[in-house]
Amino acid sequence: NAGVTQTPKFRVLKTGQSMTLLCAQDMNHEYMYWYRQDPGMGLRLIHYSVGEGTTAKGEVPDGYNVSRLKKQNFLLGLESAAPSQTSVYFCASTDGTGGIGGNTIYFGEGSWLTVV
Amino acid sequence: GENVEQHPSTLSVQEGDSAVIKCTYSDSASNYFPWYKQELGKGPQLIIDIRSNVGEKKDQRIAVTLNKTAKHFSLHITETQPEDSAVYFCAASFNDMRFGAGTRLTVKP
Repeated sequence: NAGVTQTPKFRVLKTGQSMTLLCAQDMNHEYMYWYRQDPGMGLRLIHYSVGEGTTAKGEVPDGYNVSRLKKQNFLLGLESAAPSQTSVYFCASTDGTGGIGGNTIYFGEGSWLTVV
Repeated sequence: GENVEQHPSTLSVQEGDSAVIKCTYSDSASNYFPWYKQELGKGPQLIIDIRSNVGEKKDQRIAVTLNKTAKHFSLHITETQPEDSAVYFCAASFNDMRFGAGTRLTVKP
């Protein structure tokens, strides 16, 4: 059981380039999330999805787009990368909202992105 | 939206001592409070959680307490071991999960 898998694990981009981070989960979870982690700031929610074909903005959505065409995949796109987007990105999934029912959120191993 | 504050940002203890990490939250509607442990180069993993209808929960050497009136909750680790060294995150949730900034715990042998 792979859980939540993120690709790529490491990437270096030049300012202005575009890229897509792929997240795949094999737990049949409805909810999926993208977080970024920066020193001293914890995990901040970028975008999330409550089901196939749906997406919603989190705390820090600017500069990112997402798509959930298939239930098991959640893609995070950077259209024009900026140095401020240098961060560690984590994908996560759960079978229900964290509040209602208190379901565990499962995280991937992270994707280290550097924008130069 | 929810705002979660976590203290301290770093904590160093001797092996065998206890460690306490505290969090406060702003949204009184939050009803689920998990704690995550993140080891170097890994994603966060759930270690314990508590729901708003419970005041305290224990699992071996770790425990969490919740004070809904004061809107704060704490993680307690007893008899700390070097393998407890990691970054710990608290979170509060109603419709989405908001995390504290993290506490780097170092357990010195």
